Amino acid sequence: KAGVTQTPRYLIKTRGQQVTLSCSPISGHRSVSWYQQTPGQGLQFLFEYFSETQRNKGNFPGRFSGRQFSNSRSEMNVSTLELGDSALYLCASSPGWLNYGYTFGSGTRLTVV
Amino acid sequence: DAKTTQPNSMESNEEEPVHLPCNHSTISGTDYIHWYRQLPSQGPEYVIHGLTSNVNNRMASLAIAEDRKSSTLILHRATLRDAAVYYCIPGVYGGATNKLIFGTGTLLAVQP
Repeated sequence: KAGVTQTPRYLIKTRGQQVTLSCSPISGHRSVSWYQQTPGQGLQFLFEYFSETQRNKGNFPGRFSGRQFSNSRSEMNVSTLELGDSALYLCASSPGWLNYGYTFGSGTRLTVV
Repeated sequence: DAKTTQPNSMESNEEEPVHLPCNHSTISGTDYIHWYRQLPSQGPEYVIHGLTSNVNNRMASLAIAEDRKSSTLILHRATLRDAAVYYCIPGVYGGATNKLIFGTGTLLAVQP
């Protein structure tokens, strides 16, 4: 079966711009989570969506936002980009119920210059 | 969130068993113990999870101490493809707590 698809794979943006990243979960999975990975902070949880509702949120500023569509596809948006937002952004999907493992995509590498 | 302690790095030889330890002394009674690994240039990959008793799947075995304050991920025969960062993550799935809190993990090197 198809895995978690993230687009684009690579992105270069300028400070102050905004960016939208996309994630298509595994068919039938209703939960989509987003993570940020940097060399300094490691993997950090951004937020989780389930059935179009944000169910959980990490400790990130309001510039980071997301949404989920009725087909479970999700987007995350970062506004007013800062150099420190350069990172690998990972999306993970799961059926959404207890005891199921997450399946991660390969990520979007965002570079802010 | 329960805190975890894992060795920063470990080495193994190909085709030998590997035991990756994790201490999670502050784990709560309802936390499952999950293991994920991240191969170079890839997203994390689910390996195994358990609550109280030992668990086996096609990738690995998970041995959980009786007091649940520690666990060990066992790769029965390491291959070069097992070289990755391994994360031990206590937590509960479901509802408002549905998230993974990654620590620094253990970087496993496998020598041919």
